[in-house]
Amino acid sequence: AQSVTQLDSQVPVFEEAPVELRCNYSSSVSVYLFWYVQYPNQGLQLLLKYLSGSTLVKGINGFEAEFNKSQTSFHLRKPSVHISDTAEYFCAVDGGGGADGLTFGKGTHLIIQP
Amino acid sequence: GAGVSQSPRYKVAKRGQDVALRCDPISGHVSLFWYQQALGQGPEFLTYFQNEAQLDKSGLPSDRFFAERPEGSVSTLKIQRTQQEDSAVYLCASSFHGAEETQYFGPGTRLLVL
Repeated sequence: AQSVTQLDSQVPVFEEAPVELRCNYSSSVSVYLFWYVQYPNQGLQLLLKYLSGSTLVKGINGFEAEFNKSQTSFHLRKPSVHISDTAEYFCAVDGGGGADGLTFGKGTHLIIQP
Repeated sequence: GAGVSQSPRYKVAKRGQDVALRCDPISGHVSLFWYQQALGQGPEFLTYFQNEAQLDKSGLPSDRFFAERPEGSVSTLKIQRTQQEDSAVYLCASSFHGAEETQYFGPGTRLLVL
């Protein structure tokens, strides 16, 4: 079984400041890791994913994440945020070969302050 | 083509009523997933289809929940004798086969049971 912990339920950040959203996972098998974003009244949209290879993964909208196996973390970062980045961000893990869906964290609400 | 679509977008049901939620996946996608997202929580896996075969239904919370995908494309999630605790957003996602493939999510159906 796997689990995902998002340590912060809410992160307020000033516009143009950097941000890091934390994600830790637990799994007994090798995993694939994902970050999704959910804008109000919209479906989840993939930001980036880690499958293998380079531990630094670049995604859309200037986001990137780093896979750290020893710390079982997959933190999401952006060097300079915009008002439009205000949304709910979900970290997810797939360790079951695709047949049992993704396991999501509870989400982090990113609030951008002008 | 179009993304994943779901209908209805909103559903209000009286306790004890049966409801049916529809998902139209992206054409050609083999895998289809249903998730339940309670208020303030991350999505939780309900069930998985590979074409018309339901390969995993371990996340369905009770025998009142039933899902089908008879022709390997459109899927229906049915909830019988709805209870207040069934109130949530029900998300559908589809992907090409494989854990590494991106799951594309629909906008969800928001179910409110009174």
